[in-house]
Amino acid sequence: EAGVAQSPRYKIIEKRQSVAFWCNPISGHATLYWYQQILGQGPKLLIQFQNNGVVDDSQLPKDRFSAERLKGVDSTLKIQPAKLEDSAVYLCASSFRTGARYEQYFGPGTRLTVT
Amino acid sequence: QKEVEQDPGPLSVPEGAIVSLNCTYSNSAFQYFMWYRQYSRKGPELLMYTYSSGNKEDGRFTAQVDKSSKYISLFIRDSQPSDSATYLCAMSARVTGGGNKLTFGTGTQLKVEL
Repeated sequence: EAGVAQSPRYKIIEKRQSVAFWCNPISGHATLYWYQQILGQGPKLLIQFQNNGVVDDSQLPKDRFSAERLKGVDSTLKIQPAKLEDSAVYLCASSFRTGARYEQYFGPGTRLTVT
Repeated sequence: QKEVEQDPGPLSVPEGAIVSLNCTYSNSAFQYFMWYRQYSRKGPELLMYTYSSGNKEDGRFTAQVDKSSKYISLFIRDSQPSDSATYLCAMSARVTGGGNKLTFGTGTQLKVEL
């Protein structure tokens, strides 16, 4: 079974530029998550989708971050404009359904450096 | 105060040692407790999952949850160099209407030396 795919793996941009990350979840997984992991910290949930609907985006900085999952499969996360403090690894995860008993499978992440 | 506290380490142990990793938490609503392992430049992978209080064993790994003390532990027996990684505790609460946000600790960096 293929895992969660993410691209690009690495991205370097200057502050105030925009950037987009792509995620392809495990086939059949209805729930998709985007996490931000700053160096030396645990992942922090940014947004959770159930199919193509948003379940939780309470920690997404909506003035600069946006995410979509138009057909209930792939998802993109965008930052516009980027700030220095956005430097982090952006992890995508998916689970079969929403609910604590369903394991979340993580992708390898996209490492973003903002200079 | 953070919802989940975890000593970042680093923790260095000799091969074959018993390793004890711990987290404390403040949110009484947490009912699901997990330990993830994260190798360098990889995403976290689930190691152990426990619902409510008690112990759970899986091979060399044992997870313990003490809800009365708001304290969880992961024990690794006969540690191997391949266990060298960052170990993240994670917790979630039952949420009516959907959503199962995981709240992670900062992770403990473990190195098992030959």
